[in-house]
Amino acid sequence: DAMVIQNPRYQVTQFGKPVTLSCSQTLNHNVMYWYQQKSSQAPKLLFHYYDKDFNNEADTPDNFQSRRPNTSFCFLDIRSPGLGDAAMYLCATGEVRRANQPQHFGDGTRLSIL
Amino acid sequence: DQQVKQNSPSLSVQEGRISILNCDYTNSMFDYFLWYKKYPAEGPTFLISISSIKDKNEDGRFTVFLNKSAKHLSLHIVPSQPGDSAVYFCAASVASGAGSYQLTFGKGTKLSVIP
Repeated sequence: DAMVIQNPRYQVTQFGKPVTLSCSQTLNHNVMYWYQQKSSQAPKLLFHYYDKDFNNEADTPDNFQSRRPNTSFCFLDIRSPGLGDAAMYLCATGEVRRANQPQHFGDGTRLSIL
Repeated sequence: DQQVKQNSPSLSVQEGRISILNCDYTNSMFDYFLWYKKYPAEGPTFLISISSIKDKNEDGRFTVFLNKSAKHLSLHIVPSQPGDSAVYFCAASVASGAGSYQLTFGKGTKLSVIP
């Protein structure tokens, strides 16, 4: 089955220690998205890649970076995690200009900060 | 400011009855609306969508109604089943300037269907 896979499912890091979350897809979708979801909150878009073009949301902190080395993989790098960055991070894929086609989500990585 | 609002954090319904989940939005530029369902420890999965030019879309037990003048949509589940117990997210889509589209989510409503 085509899918979106996130690794690891749970990640614990120390305050200020860089961490990388991984996402891969077999759907061959043009667009990959990263969302942050805090407890009882709406998923919030951090940024997305349309092919190799990176699109940052205006209010995404500089602490968050992303890389997309190829169509299948996308990484979320948090350079110096703070306690406020503890959250569920969701990766999703989508087709370009297909508003009626849903985004497909991975199961998320839950990030804890010690 | 939240552009997509789900004002009921939770809803309990008896098995076999109708579940109605509500969603309000403020941005008139949204062109599609989607409902996602999320089980614990899993990512959201797509359930049903509706174009902003329609007022109703039906798929089996699930129907979404859109009232564009009121900027309100609702998801009806009939009959409700225990397996429908999950968090339901309302999301609204708008094309981004970058050539893709973006979703804005509500905070979700936790539906519990009681056997």
